Amino acid sequence: NAGVTQTPKFRVLKTGQSMTLLCAQDMNHEYMYWYRQDPGMGLRLIHYSVGEGTTAKGEVPDGYNVSRLKKQNFLLGLESAAPSQTSVYFCASSYWGPYEQYFGPGTRLTVT
Amino acid sequence: AQTVTQSQPEMSVQEAETVTLSCTYDTSESNYYLFWYKQPPSRQMILVIRQEAYKQQNATENRFSVNFQKAAKSFSLKISDSQLGDTAMYFCASTGGSQGNLIFGKGTKLSVKP
Repeated sequence: NAGVTQTPKFRVLKTGQSMTLLCAQDMNHEYMYWYRQDPGMGLRLIHYSVGEGTTAKGEVPDGYNVSRLKKQNFLLGLESAAPSQTSVYFCASSYWGPYEQYFGPGTRLTVT
Repeated sequence: AQTVTQSQPEMSVQEAETVTLSCTYDTSESNYYLFWYKQPPSRQMILVIRQEAYKQQNATENRFSVNFQKAAKSFSLKISDSQLGDTAMYFCASTGGSQGNLIFGKGTKLSVKP
């Protein structure tokens, strides 16, 4: 039982490049989330999903897209990376929305 | 908007002593959950303790306990017999986000000194 995994763990991009972050969970959770963590800001919600095939915007969605084609996977895409997207990205999942969330190990992304 | 406030950006404690981290929250939900997460230098977010708002009894997990004051919307974390491995960022979080997400405080950096 791996819980929540994220790929990759580190990445450096140049401005304008694109990439996809992969999140996978093996707990059969319906809800999945993408957060970003910046110094002094706590965690802020980017996008979320309440089930396979559904996605919705969170607090800071601009510049990101997501897809949830399979229940266990939640992808976060950056189409044209900007230095403001330098951050640590966390994926999380939960059985039920208003309940505890299980987090992946995070991805540190640097955009130069 | 629902908020979670941690008023102590940094704290330190001597090994084996007790420390309390503060958290206040603001929610309009009648039923909600509160959490403390620990984030060590490894970056992994680890659930420390959970409190259901409808339970009057304070949650405890080994050396970790909470003081839940529902009327005051206060949810503090007490760490007893502090250990060097407790050095981490601690985040207080509440359910009640409009998207089913957790609302996080900005964190308290705890250093345990030998």
